[in-house]
Amino acid sequence: SQTIHQWPATLVQPVGSPLSLECTVEGTSNPNLYWYRQAAGRGLQLLFYSIGIDQISSEVPQNLSASRPQDRQFILSSKKLLLSDSGFYLCAWMRDRGYTFGSGTRLTVV
Amino acid sequence: SQQGEEDPQALSIQEGENATMNCSYKTSINNLQWYRQNSGRGLVHLILIRSNEREKHSGRLRVTLDTSKKSSSLLITASRAADTASYFCATDTGRRALTFGSGTRLQVQP
Repeated sequence: SQTIHQWPATLVQPVGSPLSLECTVEGTSNPNLYWYRQAAGRGLQLLFYSIGIDQISSEVPQNLSASRPQDRQFILSSKKLLLSDSGFYLCAWMRDRGYTFGSGTRLTVV
Repeated sequence: SQQGEEDPQALSIQEGENATMNCSYKTSINNLQWYRQNSGRGLVHLILIRSNEREKHSGRLRVTLDTSKKSSSLLITASRAADTASYFCATDTGRRALTFGSGTRLQVQP
């Protein structure tokens, strides 16, 4: 079956520490993958999207980066977190013109 | 800026009543989609309506689209306490990714 996994579910990190969030998809090949961020009580802001291995587009300038080392793996990273990086991070997979979302990661930078 | 904007921002109704949420957008679209988000969770795809469609039904959901007014509405009939969630519209303009609105928070009182 086709599923998407995202982890960890919650993360508390100090300012200046690194970040790595992982998203994997099962049951499909060459998926379009996306990272969104959601501030509290707000809509979703597109951060990165990828149409294939090592094919990543960035939507907003920031201290985050993304990588796609394997076809079904999408990683969101930062070398040094800022307080403003706190939020709810969602990975999504485009399927039949609509998205299937992961369960999200709540990141709190302290 | 947001492509889609939902109205109202928050809505509180009694169980059994109908809930109507509206979405306005700015540019031409291929389709418009509605998603639901329970608190602290990922979004779930509800329904997609294409630009050449005017109305679509799925169970207790009814979606309308008026491309001349660049607006859509989501109607949930006979609401239940379990319908309590945030609802987002998202537009597909044929570009890289969906653009989400800021959402409507629906509270259904039992």
